[in-house]
Amino acid sequence: DTGVSQDPRHKITKRGQNVTFRCDPISEHNRLYWYRQTLGQGPEFLTYFQNEAQLEKSRLLSDRFSAERPKGSFSTLEIQRTEQGDSAMYLCASSLGAGNTGELFFGEGSRLTVL
Amino acid sequence: GESVGLHLPTLSVQEGDNSIINCAYSNSASDYFIWYKQESGKGPQFIIDIRSNMDKRQGQRVTVLLNKTVKHLSLQIAATQPGDSAVYFCAENIGYGQNFVFGPGTRLSVLP
Repeated sequence: DTGVSQDPRHKITKRGQNVTFRCDPISEHNRLYWYRQTLGQGPEFLTYFQNEAQLEKSRLLSDRFSAERPKGSFSTLEIQRTEQGDSAMYLCASSLGAGNTGELFFGEGSRLTVL
Repeated sequence: GESVGLHLPTLSVQEGDNSIINCAYSNSASDYFIWYKQESGKGPQFIIDIRSNMDKRQGQRVTVLLNKTVKHLSLQIAATQPGDSAVYFCAENIGYGQNFVFGPGTRLSVLP
C-alpha cells in the first residue's frame, strides 16, 4: 500500500476555469477528508465522507466547490470558476472508521495556482 | 510572494536537547486533541493524540500535556534530532463530527 495518492500534484489555471482533483485513499479506509492549506497556515477543513456519504461540509465551502466519492473509494474535488483566492494546497486524508480518531493519513497534496 | 504567510512562530533547539512546542486552543468544548508534523513538501503526519479526560500521554520520544483550565496543549520531544525539523500543528475536535480544527503551526529547527 502506497498511502494516500493525489493527482495532479500541481495545477496552474487561469481565473474562471474549472479544475478537478482526485484522491485515492488507503484501500481499507472508509473515511475521506478534504482540507485546504495556504502558505504558513494550518490545514482548513473542507469536507468529509464516510464511505460514499458526504457527512460534513464546511460553511466556508462556497457553492463553486463540490466533492464526490461515488463508490466509497476514490474522491474528486471540483472547483468551478476558479478565483485567485482559491490558490492553495488541497490535501486529502483518509482514516479507518469507528469512533472519533484524529489519526488521519494525508496525501502530499495538490497545489493549485490560479493566475 | 513566497515570503507572505511564512511568519510562523519558530523554535530553534540544539540537537540532543528537549523541545517543547506550545499550543493554545480556543474552544472550551473541545475534547480531543492531536499533534501533527509537516515536513516541507509533504502532507501532515499524525504524531500523538489525547482526550480531555487525560492530562498527559506519552509516545515514543514524545509527550503531550493538556491543561484544560487554561486551554493549553504542549508537545515535548525528547532528544531532538535533525529529522524532527518540521512545522508542528495542534488540532482540536469537539466530540461530534470529524471537523478537526488546526492551529497556525510552529516551525521547529534543529541546530547541529
